Amino acid sequence: DTAVSQTPKYLVTQMGNDKSIKCEQNLGHDTMYWYKQDSKKFLKIMFSYNNKELIINETVPNRFSPKSPDKAHLNLHINSLELGDSAVYFCASSQDMGGSTDTQYFGPGTRLTVL
Amino acid sequence: SQKIEQNSEALNIQEGKTATLTCNYTNYSPAYLQWYRQDPGRGPVFLLLIRENEKEKRKERLKVTFDTTLKQSLFHITASQPADSATYLCALGYSGGGADGLTFGKGTHLIIQP
Repeated sequence: DTAVSQTPKYLVTQMGNDKSIKCEQNLGHDTMYWYKQDSKKFLKIMFSYNNKELIINETVPNRFSPKSPDKAHLNLHINSLELGDSAVYFCASSQDMGGSTDTQYFGPGTRLTVL
Repeated sequence: SQKIEQNSEALNIQEGKTATLTCNYTNYSPAYLQWYRQDPGRGPVFLLLIRENEKEKRKERLKVTFDTTLKQSLFHITASQPADSATYLCALGYSGGGADGLTFGKGTHLIIQP
């Protein structure tokens, strides 16, 4: 069974469109995250979220919004896509937020290409 | 803000030798440091965690050291194999977590040559 899954794996879209990426974890974890990995392979956190708290990295444009229907899901919605949004987006989960062992389990990634 | 530097973007090592990867950080020390492996087209996979009060951690052929004075972690793979070829990322964690909970370095691409 896949621990953290994402769909779609590839997403190609036009500038200005709105798109969503879905993420699900079956580990029973309390916290989920979204990361962006750019063309230089730099992995940067965008959001962390648990039942009670959403923490947003201040550098993330407000066109990006996480939506969590339940503890096992954290979807990423992006409005008005721009060329610079092209990257690989990774979902991750951990047992706790900022606990002493904040090991994160990553999904396979979604490669977003904005044309 | 915290800066993390991992040694040279690519590291070529002969099979059977020990590969040593470096992670240096500036500013304040993390509560813990983790190492991840990332293969092409896949998400990072957790390997080892070391806390600020620990000097060394081992797991099979892997060893991690953490020197808060030098602000450096070293990641060693002994008896390296071609299957160890991948990108290795170090990540710093801070108590309190949240969006600042894990800060990743750019990674070192390790190539083990047969």
